[in-house]
Amino acid sequence: KAGVTQTPRYLIKTRGQQVTLSCSPISGHRSVSWYQQTPGQGLQFLFEYFSETQRNKGNFPGRFSGRQFSNSRSEMNVSTLELGDSALYLCASSFGQGNFEQFFGPGTRLTVL
Amino acid sequence: TQLLEQSPQFLSIQEGENLTVYCNSSSVFSSLQWYRQEPGEGPVLLVTVVTGGEVKKLKRLTFQFGDARKDSSLHITAAQPGDTGLYLCAGAKAAGNKLTFGGGTRVLVKP
Repeated sequence: KAGVTQTPRYLIKTRGQQVTLSCSPISGHRSVSWYQQTPGQGLQFLFEYFSETQRNKGNFPGRFSGRQFSNSRSEMNVSTLELGDSALYLCASSFGQGNFEQFFGPGTRLTVL
Repeated sequence: TQLLEQSPQFLSIQEGENLTVYCNSSSVFSSLQWYRQEPGEGPVLLVTVVTGGEVKKLKRLTFQFGDARKDSSLHITAAQPGDTGLYLCAGAKAAGNKLTFGGGTRVLVKP
Protein backbone atom coordinates (compact mmCIF):
# COMPACT_ATOMS: atom_id res chain seq x y z
CA LYS A 1 0.00 0.00 0.00
CA ALA A 2 1.45 3.37 -1.00
CA GLY A 3 2.19 5.80 1.80
CA VAL A 4 1.29 9.44 2.15
CA THR A 5 2.66 11.53 -0.69
CA GLN A 6 3.32 15.25 -0.65
CA THR A 7 4.19 17.56 -3.50
CA PRO A 8 6.32 19.43 -4.07
CA ARG A 9 9.12 18.25 -1.77
CA TYR A 10 10.95 21.57 -1.89
CA LEU A 11 9.78 25.07 -2.58
CA ILE A 12 11.40 28.50 -2.53
CA LYS A 13 9.21 31.59 -2.46
CA THR A 14 9.64 35.26 -1.67
CA ARG A 15 7.84 37.34 0.92
CA GLY A 16 4.34 38.35 -0.09
CA GLN A 17 3.81 35.45 -2.47
CA GLN A 18 1.37 32.64 -1.88
CA VAL A 19 1.91 28.90 -2.01
CA THR A 20 -0.19 25.75 -2.37
CA LEU A 21 0.96 22.40 -1.05
CA SER A 22 -0.63 19.08 -1.90
CA CYS A 23 -1.11 15.86 0.05
CA SER A 24 -2.45 12.48 -1.08
CA PRO A 25 -3.37 10.25 1.87
CA ILE A 26 -3.04 6.50 2.13
CA SER A 27 -5.73 4.78 0.10
CA GLY A 28 -8.86 4.38 2.20
CA HIS A 29 -7.89 7.06 4.71
CA ARG A 30 -10.41 9.86 4.98
CA SER A 31 -8.74 12.14 7.50
CA VAL A 32 -5.89 14.45 6.58
CA SER A 33 -4.08 16.67 9.07
CA TRP A 34 -1.45 19.30 8.43
CA TYR A 35 1.44 20.25 10.71
CA GLN A 36 4.17 22.84 10.62
CA GLN A 37 7.61 21.90 11.92
CA THR A 38 10.25 24.50 12.79
CA PRO A 39 13.42 24.24 14.90
CA GLY A 40 12.07 26.74 17.41
CA GLN A 41 8.46 25.62 17.81
CA GLY A 42 8.65 21.95 16.91
CA LEU A 43 5.63 20.28 15.37
CA GLN A 44 2.44 22.32 15.54
CA PHE A 45 -1.01 21.34 14.38
CA LEU A 46 -2.51 23.47 11.60
CA PHE A 47 -5.83 21.82 10.75
CA GLU A 48 -7.58 18.55 10.06
CA TYR A 49 -10.03 17.62 7.33
CA PHE A 50 -12.41 14.69 7.29
CA SER A 51 -14.83 14.02 4.45
CA GLU A 52 -14.13 17.45 2.94
CA THR A 53 -14.96 19.27 6.20
CA GLN A 54 -12.52 21.02 8.48
CA ARG A 55 -12.86 19.23 11.79
CA ASN A 56 -10.13 20.87 13.88
CA LYS A 57 -8.05 24.00 13.61
CA GLY A 58 -4.86 25.06 15.34
CA ASN A 59 -3.73 28.52 16.39
CA PHE A 60 -2.48 29.87 13.09
CA PRO A 61 -3.49 33.10 11.33
CA GLY A 62 -6.08 33.15 8.61
CA ARG A 63 -3.33 33.27 5.98
CA PHE A 64 -3.16 29.51 6.44
CA SER A 65 -6.05 27.67 4.86
CA GLY A 66 -6.82 24.29 3.49
CA ARG A 67 -9.34 22.11 1.76
CA GLN A 68 -10.06 18.50 1.05
CA PHE A 69 -11.45 16.98 -2.11
CA SER A 70 -13.92 14.13 -2.54
CA ASN A 71 -11.04 11.69 -3.16
CA SER A 72 -9.58 12.71 0.25
CA ARG A 73 -6.63 14.53 -1.31
CA SER A 74 -5.92 17.75 0.50
CA GLU A 75 -4.26 21.06 -0.23
CA MET A 76 -3.09 23.78 2.07
CA ASN A 77 -2.52 27.35 1.04
CA VAL A 78 -0.46 30.06 2.65
CA SER A 79 -1.03 33.60 1.41
CA THR A 80 1.15 36.68 1.86
CA LEU A 81 4.16 34.64 2.87
CA GLU A 82 6.38 35.83 5.70
CA LEU A 83 9.96 34.84 6.49
CA GLY A 84 8.69 33.01 9.58
CA ASP A 85 6.63 30.68 7.40
CA SER A 86 9.81 28.88 6.38
CA ALA A 87 9.31 25.37 7.71
CA LEU A 88 8.74 21.73 6.94
CA TYR A 89 5.04 21.23 6.27
CA LEU A 90 3.88 17.75 7.09
CA CYS A 91 0.69 16.02 6.13
CA ALA A 92 -0.65 13.04 8.07
CA SER A 93 -3.42 10.69 7.13
CA SER A 94 -5.64 8.58 9.31
CA PHE A 95 -8.44 6.14 8.64
CA GLY A 96 -10.99 8.32 10.37
CA GLN A 97 -12.90 8.97 13.53
CA GLY A 98 -11.88 7.08 16.62
CA ASN A 99 -8.58 5.94 15.12
CA PHE A 100 -5.71 8.00 16.41
CA GLU A 101 -2.89 6.47 14.43
CA GLN A 102 -1.58 8.96 11.96
CA PHE A 103 0.90 8.31 9.20
CA PHE A 104 3.04 11.13 7.96
CA GLY A 105 4.28 12.02 4.52
CA PRO A 106 7.85 13.14 3.82
CA GLY A 107 6.90 16.80 4.03
CA THR A 108 7.34 19.87 1.88
CA ARG A 109 10.31 22.05 2.78
CA LEU A 110 9.24 25.68 2.22
CA THR A 111 11.85 28.42 2.23
CA VAL A 112 10.68 32.03 2.18
CA LEU A 113 13.29 34.58 1.10
CA THR B 1 4.41 26.24 27.29
CA GLN B 2 4.57 22.71 25.90
CA LEU B 3 1.64 20.52 26.90
CA LEU B 4 3.96 17.56 26.48
CA GLU B 5 7.45 17.84 27.92
CA GLN B 6 10.10 15.49 26.65
CA SER B 7 13.36 14.80 28.41
CA PRO B 8 16.17 14.80 27.83
CA GLN B 9 16.35 17.07 24.78
CA PHE B 10 19.54 15.40 23.59
CA LEU B 11 21.16 12.05 24.33
CA SER B 12 24.49 10.80 23.06
CA ILE B 13 25.46 7.23 23.91
CA GLN B 14 27.74 4.45 22.76
CA GLU B 15 26.48 1.46 20.82
CA GLY B 16 25.29 -1.25 23.21
CA GLU B 17 24.15 1.11 25.98
CA ASN B 18 20.56 1.51 27.11
CA LEU B 19 18.56 4.73 27.05
CA THR B 20 15.21 6.03 28.25
CA VAL B 21 13.24 8.98 26.93
CA TYR B 22 10.45 10.52 28.98
CA CYS B 23 7.28 12.28 27.93
CA ASN B 24 5.32 14.05 30.66
CA SER B 25 2.16 16.12 30.80
CA SER B 26 -0.32 17.54 33.27
CA SER B 27 -3.08 16.65 30.81
CA VAL B 28 -4.78 13.32 30.26
CA PHE B 29 -4.59 11.90 26.76
CA SER B 30 -6.77 9.27 25.16
CA SER B 31 -3.77 7.85 23.38
CA LEU B 32 -0.10 8.55 22.99
CA GLN B 33 2.05 7.87 19.99
CA TRP B 34 5.80 7.63 19.58
CA TYR B 35 7.50 8.57 16.33
CA ARG B 36 11.05 8.58 15.03
CA GLN B 37 12.07 11.18 12.50
CA GLU B 38 15.20 11.33 10.38
CA PRO B 39 16.52 14.54 8.81
CA GLY B 40 14.47 15.73 5.84
CA GLU B 41 11.79 13.10 6.33
CA GLY B 42 8.43 12.87 8.04
CA PRO B 43 7.97 11.18 11.42
CA VAL B 44 7.52 7.41 11.28
CA LEU B 45 5.02 5.91 13.71
CA LEU B 46 6.61 3.44 16.13
CA VAL B 47 3.76 2.62 18.48
CA THR B 48 0.41 3.77 19.84
CA VAL B 49 -0.52 3.22 23.49
CA VAL B 50 -4.10 3.73 24.64
CA THR B 51 -4.58 1.99 28.00
CA GLY B 52 -3.25 3.37 31.28
CA GLY B 53 -0.40 1.15 32.51
CA GLU B 54 0.05 -0.41 29.08
CA VAL B 55 3.47 -1.72 28.11
CA LYS B 56 4.33 -2.50 24.50
CA LYS B 57 7.53 -4.08 23.23
CA LEU B 58 8.87 -3.70 19.73
CA LYS B 59 12.10 -5.71 19.49
CA ARG B 60 14.60 -3.68 21.56
CA LEU B 61 12.13 -0.85 22.20
CA THR B 62 9.79 -0.84 25.22
CA PHE B 63 7.01 1.73 25.51
CA GLN B 64 5.03 2.43 28.64
CA PHE B 65 1.89 4.53 29.18
CA GLY B 66 1.41 5.86 32.69
CA ASP B 67 -1.51 4.64 34.81
CA ALA B 68 -3.10 8.11 34.69
CA ARG B 69 -2.46 8.43 30.93
CA LYS B 70 -0.47 11.61 31.45
CA ASP B 71 3.03 10.33 30.82
CA SER B 72 4.95 7.80 28.80
CA SER B 73 8.45 6.46 28.39
CA LEU B 74 10.47 4.85 25.65
CA HIS B 75 13.32 2.53 26.61
CA ILE B 76 15.84 1.22 24.11
CA THR B 77 17.97 -1.75 25.06
CA ALA B 78 21.41 -2.24 23.54
CA ALA B 79 21.13 0.79 21.27
CA GLN B 80 22.53 0.58 17.74
CA PRO B 81 23.64 3.37 15.38
CA GLY B 82 20.45 2.74 13.38
CA ASP B 83 18.47 3.98 16.39
CA THR B 84 19.86 7.47 15.84
CA GLY B 85 17.13 10.01 15.17
CA LEU B 86 14.64 12.45 16.63
CA TYR B 87 12.13 10.73 18.90
CA LEU B 88 8.79 12.45 19.29
CA CYS B 89 5.88 11.70 21.56
CA ALA B 90 2.44 12.95 20.60
CA GLY B 91 -0.81 12.86 22.53
CA ALA B 92 -4.36 12.77 21.21
CA LYS B 93 -7.49 13.85 23.05
CA ALA B 94 -10.81 12.09 22.65
CA ALA B 95 -12.22 14.17 19.82
CA GLY B 96 -10.61 14.38 16.41
CA ASN B 97 -7.12 13.56 15.28
CA LYS B 98 -5.29 16.62 16.53
CA LEU B 99 -1.93 15.55 17.90
CA THR B 100 -0.02 17.59 20.46
CA PHE B 101 3.69 16.93 20.11
CA GLY B 102 6.47 17.05 22.63
CA GLY B 103 9.60 19.00 21.79
CA GLY B 104 11.49 15.86 20.78
CA THR B 105 14.58 14.02 21.98
CA ARG B 106 17.52 13.86 19.65
CA VAL B 107 19.33 10.54 20.10
CA LEU B 108 22.81 9.87 18.77
CA VAL B 109 24.20 6.35 19.04
CA LYS B 110 27.89 6.24 18.31
CA PRO B 111 29.49 3.07 16.96
